Amino acid sequence: GAGVSQSPRYKVAKRGQDVALRCDPISGHVSLFWYQQALGQGPEFLTYFQNEAQLDKSGLPSDRFFAERPEGSVSTLKIQRTQKEDSAVYLCASSSAGTVSPLHFGNGTRLTVT
Amino acid sequence: KNEVEQSPQNLTAQEGEFITINCSYSVGISALHWLQQHPGGGIVSLFMLSSGKKKHGRLIATINIQEKHSSLHITASHPRDSAVYICAVSGGGGSEKLVFGKGTKLTVNP
Repeated sequence: GAGVSQSPRYKVAKRGQDVALRCDPISGHVSLFWYQQALGQGPEFLTYFQNEAQLDKSGLPSDRFFAERPEGSVSTLKIQRTQKEDSAVYLCASSSAGTVSPLHFGNGTRLTVT
Repeated sequence: KNEVEQSPQNLTAQEGEFITINCSYSVGISALHWLQQHPGGGIVSLFMLSSGKKKHGRLIATINIQEKHSSLHITASHPRDSAVYICAVSGGGGSEKLVFGKGTKLTVNP
């Protein structure tokens, strides 16, 4: 596709459920980023991949959060045993060369934990 | 103190006015990004710059590395420019972690 695609667009989960959020980056983009954006706030870094290697996961808020990009293209962000504080928009971005090249963002997945 | 500070937080203008949004940062960077986010929408990258000035249509971005300051200007503003504008910096300490400002909400009235 022409841009970064994220699915689902909206996800409602009951507290305690596991969720999986998908990101399909622009073809050929080496770098892939996940961000979390709480309502009314700026995005916050979660994790960064270069190809299939997860080079930085320092922003993941707890060990309930896990991200993977096994073939260096599509990435999945998994949240286990969701909590209400996990409610946010999860944004994915890709680029050709880290953050010194323009970033292309997906439309995000809005997660609501009830 | 946040690593990235934007001002103003909110800005209301009349159509046609010249707009300036400011961004100051406190860490060493390799690049600064200006992003636009419409309500309920995704984020669009407007500029990525590491020095000097860039222009795209009615938008101009400048950066002063010594003063750790960047500005985003919009000339001849239009209601469709209404959005949240976010400054983000990267490369502090060699990291690819992008640190975002809280954003400036711009409303341009017709």
